[in-house]
Amino acid sequence: QKEVEQDPGPLSVPEGAIVSLNCTYSNSAFQYFMWYRQYSRKGPELLMYTYSSGNKEDGRFTAQVDKSSKYISLFIRDSQPSDSATYLCAMSEGEGGKLIFGQGTELSVKP
Amino acid sequence: NAGVTQTPKFQVLKTGQSMTLQCAQDMNHEYMSWYRQDPGMGLRLIHYSVGAGITDQGEVPNGYNVSRSTTEDFPLRLLSAAPSQTSVYFCASSQTWKGEKLFFGSGTQLSVL
Repeated sequence: QKEVEQDPGPLSVPEGAIVSLNCTYSNSAFQYFMWYRQYSRKGPELLMYTYSSGNKEDGRFTAQVDKSSKYISLFIRDSQPSDSATYLCAMSEGEGGKLIFGQGTELSVKP
Repeated sequence: NAGVTQTPKFQVLKTGQSMTLQCAQDMNHEYMSWYRQDPGMGLRLIHYSVGAGITDQGEVPNGYNVSRSTTEDFPLRLLSAAPSQTSVYFCASSQTWKGEKLFFGSGTQLSVL
């Protein structure tokens, strides 16, 4: 079993929809939680970064971390066609530099 | 702003050949790492380095070698290429050794025949 599990999708939604992306994990030592966005044939780029539990909001994006359930989420409000990409969750213990990624969820937002 | 630069962008090898994937960053980042990306598998950590002269293994290190003689460069060597190493390889760097806030290169698409 992988340390980080993510539904690979693909996920297709109409423009303007609210999108929910999720990851579960098994390592209770993870402290840093990130979401990366990857456009086709490009390297991933950091979208959201959260330390420990709680919520973080940045424009249309909200990241949630529930350490008690070992579950993290990314919400996208008013989704746009430009949000079409693969979204990868990633986690780190903060010691030693190992960042572990989920499988990635492919999102398509239709006009 | 160059950021993280990977070369080459594409490479085709025959089984048994060796080669080096180059990675350089100009942000004075301590932490550098190599990932491979395969369909349905996400990004898997191959090797990483928390500073010049220090390297360690990730999730899938077999068949790969790394060294870190300078802060800027972190080459990945394939010792004897196998078809299972066909993948897209990404180099990434971060300011701290905690591994968060990675900056990625544009990737190297490698095919081993």
